[in-house]
Amino acid sequence: DAGVTQSPTHLIKTRGQQVTLRCSPKSGHDTVSWYQQALGQGPQFIFQYYEEEERQRGNFPDRFSGHQFPNYSSELNVNALLLGDSALYLCASSRRVGQGYQPQHFGDGTRLSIL
Amino acid sequence: AQSVSQHNHHVILSEAASLELGCNYSYGGTVNLFWYVQYPGQHLQLLLKYFSGDPLVKGIKGFEAEFIKSKFSFNLRKPSVQWSDTAEYFCAVAKAAGNKLTFGGGTRVLVKP
Repeated sequence: DAGVTQSPTHLIKTRGQQVTLRCSPKSGHDTVSWYQQALGQGPQFIFQYYEEEERQRGNFPDRFSGHQFPNYSSELNVNALLLGDSALYLCASSRRVGQGYQPQHFGDGTRLSIL
Repeated sequence: AQSVSQHNHHVILSEAASLELGCNYSYGGTVNLFWYVQYPGQHLQLLLKYFSGDPLVKGIKGFEAEFIKSKFSFNLRKPSVQWSDTAEYFCAVAKAAGNKLTFGGGTRVLVKP
């Protein structure tokens, strides 16, 4: 049973470029959340997707956008990259149960470096 | 807005010592509480969770945590650590029935053999 898988593992971009990160949720999960983890800090919530719609969003600018596909996989897009976007980007999946959710399972992350 | 505070950034201790990591959160409503662990080179893994009921929850690998509502705290404990407990530990909170996790800054624990 595969867990949460993310690709690519590492990515190097330059300022102003655009990037797309991908996530496949754990089997049986229908909800995907994205987090940004800067060096030495805890993960920060970017947004969450359920039923192909963005359901919640953290304090991130519109340069950060996402998508969820019918197979529950998800993409995170970041436009006009800034040096400060350098971080580990984590994808987490869970399953909605009634009005709540089961605990989230995390992937290994994508390490994004901006030069 | 929710926030989570972890009191120690780094903890160094010897094998067989007891471990307690502090976690306080700020949010006035009903919350779900979590401790996640990240072993070197691995992804974040759920250590334990509190949704409701007995405020003393037991997790994997001998860890337990106590929810004290009046103190807005959810401290993690292990009576006797092993070298393999070397990892970074994150406390996180979500509104009840919600899925947005707010994490603390993490505590790096180094267990010396």
